[in-house]
Amino acid sequence: GIQVEQSPPDLILQEGANSTLRCNFSDSVNNLQWFHQNPWGQLINLFYIPSGTKQNGRLSATTVATERYSLLYISSSQTTDSGVYFCAVENTDKLIFGTGTRLQVFP
Amino acid sequence: DTGVSQNPRHKITKRGQNVTFRCDPISEHNRLYWYRQTLGQGPEFLTYFQNEAQLEKSRLLSDRFSAERPKGSFSTLEIQRTEQGDSAMYLCASSLEVGKLFFGSGTQLSVL
Repeated sequence: GIQVEQSPPDLILQEGANSTLRCNFSDSVNNLQWFHQNPWGQLINLFYIPSGTKQNGRLSATTVATERYSLLYISSSQTTDSGVYFCAVENTDKLIFGTGTRLQVFP
Repeated sequence: DTGVSQNPRHKITKRGQNVTFRCDPISEHNRLYWYRQTLGQGPEFLTYFQNEAQLEKSRLLSDRFSAERPKGSFSTLEIQRTEQGDSAMYLCASSLEVGKLFFGSGTQLSVL
């Protein structure tokens, strides 16, 4: 089956810093989503981005489907950005998740 | 649109007992998915429904697991004869478009 790798596995930032999270996948995909899992376990949709670039406030994402990767950019990070960020890809009617990037933002 | 609702939020049970979880999807979403997540891992696919039809089951879904979506609306996931290895967060998601899922808050199962 398709493999999804995320890097880095852990990231520690000071408030205000910028960061880039990467997602690589091993096969062509139809869809890709980025999620933020908060400390209470809720998976929050960030982007639905099978290709191209999207922006939402301090967050933006870019997917280059032909090269099988996606990037999530977080600018001016805040403590509320802390949690685990997951990339998930779909190629057979279901999402396959990566192992996530755990982000900790300190004041 | 009240989002995907899961009950209970937490369940503690003794090994060997049966447990049942419920998921209410976003209304009009015809697809419903169950995932399992253990500590430090990403969610793993278990099964999914399109309307009332169960279209795919993961090999993770042993014979002790059964899922239903009788009227194409809410779904239940039952685990029979629970084992300690079943302890995990069970997540439900629904969608209208393939690959665009919305998740509930999950049911945290602890098997003692």
